[in-house]
Amino acid sequence: EPEVTQTPSHQVTQMGQEVILRCVPISNHLYFYWYRQILGQKVEFLVSFYNNEISEKSEIFDDQFSVERPDGSNFTLKIRSTKLEDSAMYFCASSAGGAVGEKLFFGSGTQLSVL
Amino acid sequence: RKEVEQDPGPFNVPEGATVAFNCTYSNSASQSFFWYRQDCRKEPKLLMSVYSSGNEDGRFTAQLNRASQYISLLIRDSKLSDSATYLCVVNPGGSYIPTFGRGTSLIVHP
Repeated sequence: EPEVTQTPSHQVTQMGQEVILRCVPISNHLYFYWYRQILGQKVEFLVSFYNNEISEKSEIFDDQFSVERPDGSNFTLKIRSTKLEDSAMYFCASSAGGAVGEKLFFGSGTQLSVL
Repeated sequence: RKEVEQDPGPFNVPEGATVAFNCTYSNSASQSFFWYRQDCRKEPKLLMSVYSSGNEDGRFTAQLNRASQYISLLIRDSKLSDSATYLCVVNPGGSYIPTFGRGTSLIVHP
């Protein structure tokens, strides 16, 4: 069964450093998402991406965050200058379409720890 | 009022029990509804979509009540392997972005 893959599974960084989280969505999917989950809290939407541009973003997704699809397979989330409160599990997801009712397929996540 | 609300639990039930969770949503224009399952520190996985007419998949039954703005999940004959957090997911009206509830924790014990 096709799956979304994320690397690395764990990332430890110092406050103020830049990190790049990587995702390979399912190959025929067109819509890509980043969500995050702080320990013990709910899964929160960050950003969605379609046709090489951001289609929606949440209030969490401020100027410190950016996304990119540098080639035909990878989808990355960059955090420019990490803060302690960025520590969370970051999930990438993809869907075949962007219509209401489309199911999301999630990667296994990157656990980011900011020290 | 939060967009998607769930009782966090935990629901602690013996094997073989029937257990039900509800989830309420605030946006009456919401159009699609799902239940996802999340194991500890793992990714959410789709359990089932929720259709207006209600739907069943084996031991799992999902229902939608638009008038009262809630969805429900019923698990019959609980197994130990059903222990997980069950996430209610709603597409609010005017957005294609699935919004997650905080989840309901289920613990099935022998």
